[in-house]
Amino acid sequence: DAGVIQSPRHEVTEMGQEVTLRCKPISGHDYLFWYRQTMMRGLELLIYFNNNVPIDDSGMPEDRFSAKMPNASFSTLKIQPSEPRDSAVYFCASATQGAVDTQYFGPGTRLTVL
Amino acid sequence: GQNIDQPTEMTATEGAIVQINCTYQTSGFNGLFWYQQHAGEAPTFLSYNVLDGLEEKGRFSSFLSRSKGYSYLLLKELQMKDSASYLCAVLYGGATNKLIFGTGTLLAVQP
Repeated sequence: DAGVIQSPRHEVTEMGQEVTLRCKPISGHDYLFWYRQTMMRGLELLIYFNNNVPIDDSGMPEDRFSAKMPNASFSTLKIQPSEPRDSAVYFCASATQGAVDTQYFGPGTRLTVL
Repeated sequence: GQNIDQPTEMTATEGAIVQINCTYQTSGFNGLFWYQQHAGEAPTFLSYNVLDGLEEKGRFSSFLSRSKGYSYLLLKELQMKDSASYLCAVLYGGATNKLIFGTGTLLAVQP
């Protein structure tokens, strides 16, 4: 079975541009999580969905960040406008029973904002 | 806040045993995970503890003391491939369950 799929794997953009990160969870997993990882702050939860509904978005840094899950097999994380401090690796993870369950992580998207 | 503390770096020798400690705030605690992350890769699940005691899984074991807010990951018979970051993650309850990760311990296994 395919694991969590993320695209693109690498993204380099200029400050002020819009960035869209994509994620396809494992089929049958009802929970989807978006994380951001930096050296300084480690792995931080941004938002998570259950059955396509956002449950907790308290980790979303500010209004520049938005996430959607239009169906069970696709989610996007959008940053508009992007800033250099958004440079990080963004991971998507999925699980069958939420945060109490093993989370399966995608390969991540390495974002660099110049 | 929900501070999770673990050493930044550790070094150990191939074939040896290493213990990676993690301390956390106990309020709202619902369980503790350990994940392994090789450089440039995604985190992968190692273990989950919700009750006090030791959980053994092959060369890896994880211990939890809920009252002390303390866990450790024990790696035996170290191999070079065990060189990675080890992330302690605490499940906190509340309005929603959330997994809060520590910043990780980078383990270097030397020949």
